[in-house]
Formats: sequence, structure tokens, C-alpha cells
Amino acid sequence: ETGVTQSPTHLIKTRGQQVTLRCSSQSGHNTVSWYQQALGQGPQFIFQYYREEENGRGNFPPRFSGLQFPNYSSELNVNALELDDSALYLCASTSTGRHATNEQFFGPGTRLTVL
Amino acid sequence: GQQLNQSPQSMFIQEGEDVSMNCTSSSIFNTWLWYKQDPGEGPVLLIALYKAGELTSNGRLTAQFGITRKDSFLNISASIPSDVGIYFCAGQQLGSGNTGKLIFGQGTTLQVKP
Repeated sequence: ETGVTQSPTHLIKTRGQQVTLRCSSQSGHNTVSWYQQALGQGPQFIFQYYREEENGRGNFPPRFSGLQFPNYSSELNVNALELDDSALYLCASTSTGRHATNEQFFGPGTRLTVL
Repeated sequence: GQQLNQSPQSMFIQEGEDVSMNCTSSSIFNTWLWYKQDPGEGPVLLIALYKAGELTSNGRLTAQFGITRKDSFLNISASIPSDVGIYFCAGQQLGSGNTGKLIFGQGTTLQVKP
């Protein structure tokens, strides 16, 4: 069974730039959630994707957007980067539907630094 | 953003000691989960709890889902050096209209002295 993978592991950008982060869900999982974890804090929910559509969103501005592909992998895009966007971005996968489980399994994260 | 109240914030204990941490919320949750996160890694699921009053063990770890559905605790017995890390509680609301998003506590940093 393949776990959740994320790429890249680290990224450095400057203010105003755009970034795309990628996530492959655990095999058998059809739902992907993205979280932002600032230093010393717990993860904060950004949004969730199910059936290639956004299925709920946290308190994040529209410049945070995402995609889900037919193979359930997902992207997180952030436009017009700000210094406060520096954080660990975590992807979590789970299965939704008939054989749903409530448990979300996390990838190793992408460390984004905005200068 | 919304966070649960997790305590203590940090603990420094001797190897072999037992550890207890808890999490409280003003909201009711359907599910409570406990994760451990090592530096530079993603959170790893330790225990998931699904019913009020449920007590579940995973090796030396024991967690309980509070009767009011607004709290949970995690105990670690006979701590060892590899227990070092940050422990997070997370509450989850499921059902119609809910995404099952996780609401996390601020974390408990555990250090174990050999």
C-alpha cells in the first residue's frame, strides 16, 4: 500500500510569486484535504477535494486554489505569495463514500518559505 | 483559525514515567483523533475514537473519547526516548454538510530524558 506523497519537499519563493504544490493520495483513497501548518501551531484546514470538486473550504482567501485529478491526486496553488504564507503545507487523504473511513492520513508536507 | 484547547503545552519527563495530555472544545465532535509529529515530518495517526466514552489502546498508548463529546485524553505509559515529538489532538465533525475537516489542538511537545 502506497502512502501519501507530496512534492516538492522544500520550496523558496519571493513575495508576489505563484506556487504549485502536489499530492498523491494513498491508494484506495478518493478524497484529499490540504492543511497549512505555521511554525509552532497545529495544522489549519484550507480545503478538501472530492470527485474533482472543492468540497468545503476553511478561512483562506481565494488566492488559495486547488485541483483534483481523475486519479485522485491533487494540487494546491497559491497566487500573489505573502510572507505569512511561509509554512508547512500538508496533504491528507481519506476515503469517502460507501466504504468511508474517518481517518485522514498525512503526507510528509512541503516546506514553503516566502522571502 | 479554530483550534482546540490542548494541554499541557510541553512536558519534560524521565524515561519510564507515564504521560497524560488532554484536549477540550466548545463544540461537539463525532470523531477524535490523536497524531504524533516528528520534526520535518507530517502527522502520523496514533489512535482514532468514534463513540462517546470509547477507550482505545495502541500498545503503550491509551486514548478516551469524552462522554460529553467535547473532550479527549491520551495517556502514554512507561515512556521511552522515541516517544519524543509533538502530539496533536484533532476533532472531526461528520454528516450532512460537513467535510470531515480536522480541527487541531496547539500540540503538546514531549521530551523524554533517558
